[in-house]
Amino acid sequence: EIVMTQSPATLSVSPGERATLSCRASQSVSSNLAWYQQKPGQAPRLLIYGVSIRATGIPARFSGSGSGTDFTLTISSLQSEDFAVYYCQQYNDWPHTFGQGTKLEIK
Amino acid sequence: EVQLVQSGAEVKKPGESLKISCKGSGYTFTSYWIGWVRQMPGKGLEYMGIIYPGDSDTRYSPSFQGQVTISVDKSISTAYLQWSSLKASDTAIYYCARLSGNRYSFGWGDYWGQGTLVTVSS
Repeated sequence: EIVMTQSPATLSVSPGERATLSCRASQSVSSNLAWYQQKPGQAPRLLIYGVSIRATGIPARFSGSGSGTDFTLTISSLQSEDFAVYYCQQYNDWPHTFGQGTKLEIK
Repeated sequence: EVQLVQSGAEVKKPGESLKISCKGSGYTFTSYWIGWVRQMPGKGLEYMGIIYPGDSDTRYSPSFQGQVTISVDKSISTAYLQWSSLKASDTAIYYCARLSGNRYSFGWGDYWGQGTLVTVSS
């Protein structure tokens, strides 16, 4: 099973600033990497798939990069609605696995 | 509009059985894999298993194999997650998700149900 490791566990950033979240896979997942956002009491919401392709309706301030084992989600200018937990997920191999999440909180 | 609507919250006792559901609409239900994802209180997301409604092909995560049963009734566009004997450690929110792709290549979860809270307590 591929282990996904996210860092940091918690990230404190001020509104308007940039946030950079990291995700590392225990082995290559090629470009089969997605990011999700989850707010309290809500289901996960797909943000990005294929490393860098934004899902429908996702603002351009969200961007993804990386390949193989190391990936990054960048939020260019944080809005109040962006403070949430973010998960990366590989879908290269079954079982698909998630990272443990990064909580993005207001500084 | 694609929608996955899950059954309501459940409170059960240890040892009881349970079957929760996920009804799809707004797309061809038989053409996309459906996955079940567990989220224990205050924890992250874990895939339990997936099913292809077109032919009921089912895959389980090793951690959940033998612990739950995933099934589908394509005539009513509904997938199910079932336990025969619940434990307190099954207390969690369970989400269903539609997986992108096709019969032979399944990918990211593009649409998600609202979640079903299962509480197991004596």
